[in-house]
Amino acid sequence: GQNIDQPTEMTATEGAIVQINCTYQTSGFNGLFWYQQHAGEAPTFLSYNVLDGLEEKGRFSSFLSRSKGYSYLLLKELQMKDSASYLCAVQDSNYQLIWGAGTKLIIKP
Amino acid sequence: TAGITQAPTSQILAAGRSMTLRCTQDMRHNAMYWYRQDLGLGLRLIHYSNTAGTTGKGEVPDGYSVSRANTDDFPLTLASAVPSQTSVYFCASSASGGHTDTQYFGPGTRLTVL
Repeated sequence: GQNIDQPTEMTATEGAIVQINCTYQTSGFNGLFWYQQHAGEAPTFLSYNVLDGLEEKGRFSSFLSRSKGYSYLLLKELQMKDSASYLCAVQDSNYQLIWGAGTKLIIKP
Repeated sequence: TAGITQAPTSQILAAGRSMTLRCTQDMRHNAMYWYRQDLGLGLRLIHYSNTAGTTGKGEVPDGYSVSRANTDDFPLTLASAVPSQTSVYFCASSASGGHTDTQYFGPGTRLTVL
């Protein structure tokens, strides 16, 4: 079966760095997406990885290792507005997105 | 640009009644999707459409139907609602289906079936 695993919840301190991990087992792989979702709102696109390595975009970076079925989202210089759920999704061989349940990130002052 | 709009924002529905959730996008995207989001679970695909005039079944299609008469609109119909269909429903679109394109989401419809 297809499976995406992420931690349910993480807590971090304002100004710090946090890494949110995602492991996956899917039928085929056409890329991995990270989305941010604030409570009561729609998911919004953060990053996309299809090749191994690190993609940096401002305070956010995303890493992919296809051989290990593993990705992480790195958030630097955390701000209170980063409190949200972070969703990992893998595009399978049919180009459908398979979603993890999301990681709720709580930022404390 | 409005992007994707959904209506209604929320709804309480009696079991056995029918309802259509509306979704409209103004980005001229070819592909559109309907997901449901339940606590503790990832987004699950209900139905999708790669282009106007075509639709396909996702992971959880039972009890739902869709149509895609034109590029902009992708309504989702519950023919006879059941309490297990209580969920938050998100419509999304991408430039093309069957390719690696970013999906953009509407604000969602919160549906409660009693």
